[in-house]
Amino acid sequence: GQNIDQPTEMTATEGAIVQINCTYQTSGFNGLFWYQQHAGEAPTFLSYNVLDGLEEKGRFSSFLSRSKGYSYLLLKELQMKDSASYLCALMDSNYQLIWGAGTKLIIKP
Amino acid sequence: IAGITQAPTSQILAAGRRMTLRCTQDMRHNAMYWYRQDLGLGLRLIHYSNTAGTTGKGEVPDGYSVSRANTDDFPLTLASAVPSQTSVYFCASSDSVDFNTGELFFGEGSRLTVL
Repeated sequence: GQNIDQPTEMTATEGAIVQINCTYQTSGFNGLFWYQQHAGEAPTFLSYNVLDGLEEKGRFSSFLSRSKGYSYLLLKELQMKDSASYLCALMDSNYQLIWGAGTKLIIKP
Repeated sequence: IAGITQAPTSQILAAGRRMTLRCTQDMRHNAMYWYRQDLGLGLRLIHYSNTAGTTGKGEVPDGYSVSRANTDDFPLTLASAVPSQTSVYFCASSDSVDFNTGELFFGEGSRLTVL
């Protein structure tokens, strides 16, 4: 079967760095996505990894290790507006997305 | 502004009633999706459509139906609503089935409460 795990909630301080982990089990793999979702709003796309390694986009970076079934989202120079839920999603062999339950990130001043 | 429009944004519905959630996109995307989002669970796919005229069942299709008469519209119908269908419903689209641009576009969601 397929399974995605990510922490339910994390807390970090404004200006700091936080790493949100996502582990998965799947029989087929076509990519790993990260989305941001502010409370009461729609998810918005952050990153897509299909090959191993680190993808950097400004303050946000995403890492993938296919052999370990592991990804992380790294957020640098945290701002209060980064308070949101971060959703990890796996694309399976049928090009369907399997979503994690999301990690609620709380930023404190 | 181009994007996906959902209606209604919020609705309270009596159990047993029929309800259609509307979704329209103006990006000419081929693929469209309906998800439900419940507290503590990941987004779950209800139905999808890879192109106009075709639809498919997702992870939780029971009690829901969809149609895709044209590229832009993808309505979701609850034939006889039950309280377990209380949820936030998101419509989404992508320009290809395999997400080769890596992005799924979401509407703002429809919050449905079934009493």
